[in-house]
Amino acid sequence: RKEVEQDPGPFNVPEGATVAFNCTYSNSASQSFFWYRQDCRKEPKLLMSVYSSGNEDGRFTAQLNRASQYISLLIRDSKLSDSATYLCVVRDDKIIFGKGTRLHILP
Amino acid sequence: NAGVTQTPKFQVLKTGQSMTLQCAQDMNHNSMYWYRQDPGMGLRLIYYSASEGTTDKGEVPNGYNVSRLNKREFSLRLESAAPSQTSVYFCASSETAAPQTEAFFGQGTRLTVV
Repeated sequence: RKEVEQDPGPFNVPEGATVAFNCTYSNSASQSFFWYRQDCRKEPKLLMSVYSSGNEDGRFTAQLNRASQYISLLIRDSKLSDSATYLCVVRDDKIIFGKGTRLHILP
Repeated sequence: NAGVTQTPKFQVLKTGQSMTLQCAQDMNHNSMYWYRQDPGMGLRLIYYSASEGTTDKGEVPNGYNVSRLNKREFSLRLESAAPSQTSVYFCASSETAAPQTEAFFGQGTRLTVV
């Protein structure tokens, strides 16, 4: 089992739709969790950290279920500028990335 | 504020040549990482260093060596480049003592081995 697994994608959704990304991780001792965004041919950048209680940042909501070892990201009212690859990231003694899910927002 | 700086940005090597990718961070982070990214494969960890003087293998270490020269610098060496090492290489750093803090990335090195 891969350490961090994500939906393979790509997701093609119309502007204004709600998009959900799912991620599972294998190491129950993992300490912290993140969603990163990567634009084409650019370096990954932090979108948001994921906390046990769940957290929201504008149109973005992240959830963590430690018992199920599951992380999610919800994007509401999607914009054209949300088109990118979304990477699930898990940290224990090292930082491990999922393969990423590419999102295309359609006008 | 430079953050993480990688050099070079682009490189073409012939099979069998060697080269060193340089990475430096100015955020006083303890941890540094080298990843490679291939189409459809996400970022795969090559080596990491949790502190000055320590290095550990990641998922895909074969064909690479690393040196944590000091707290700021973490270099990646290809001793005998192979076409399979054609990839985009990213260096990153983070704070070990604060696991909730993010990793910061350099802009990447695009390496082609012919």
